[in-house]
Amino acid sequence: GENVEQHPSTLSVQEGDSAVIKCTYSDSASNYFPWYKQELGKRPQLIIDIRSNVGEKKDQRIAVTLNKTAKHFSLHITETQPEDSAVYFCAEGGGNTPLVFGKGTRLSVIA
Amino acid sequence: EAGVAQSPRYKIIEKRQSVAFWCNPISGHATLYWYQQILGQGPKLLIQFQNNGVVDDSQLPKDRFSAERLKGVDSTLKIQPAKLEDSAVYLCASSFGLDLFEQYFGPGTRLTVT
Repeated sequence: GENVEQHPSTLSVQEGDSAVIKCTYSDSASNYFPWYKQELGKRPQLIIDIRSNVGEKKDQRIAVTLNKTAKHFSLHITETQPEDSAVYFCAEGGGNTPLVFGKGTRLSVIA
Repeated sequence: EAGVAQSPRYKIIEKRQSVAFWCNPISGHATLYWYQQILGQGPKLLIQFQNNGVVDDSQLPKDRFSAERLKGVDSTLKIQPAKLEDSAVYLCASSFGLDLFEQYFGPGTRLTVT
């Protein structure tokens, strides 16, 4: 990975609404795209990841989509709950190249 | 399974002093990473080990930072001398292998340089 841009930097949604966070990258060799959730003062934890041979992956309320042609991938959280409030980081890497992380999105779910 | 362990959890030092951080990865994980996370930013890789060999240290400020993983298990990261801009959380992570395996993070060490 070389560089990854993450938007938005902050996001507020009402409980029950959906949240979408988007990342774009520049390295066409990247083939692994994880998303991490980091609660205040805690360690980053992997919530979902996708590899370049797949366009979409779902796990309950969380989904990730990947568009390799456009070099962007997105995190979708449906039916948001207050416990979804955290900072979310995307990352990208490929083969033996290290992961490069985005700057994070602070998600606030308002009850 | 036990997670990645790090110590200390917090450290406050004055600039120009030295500090060392310790990490014990998940048992059986060959790959170990040290990240620096400055407040409000994503983790930035400092160094990556595969067993006891360095895979990538291109972003490690080698004039002041050093790291080792002598026996391929535990690792230490040292800063000597520290600067104010080194204030950050230092995260250790480990994974089973090199290629796209999930990275498990430790709780981090919060370093404050005054």
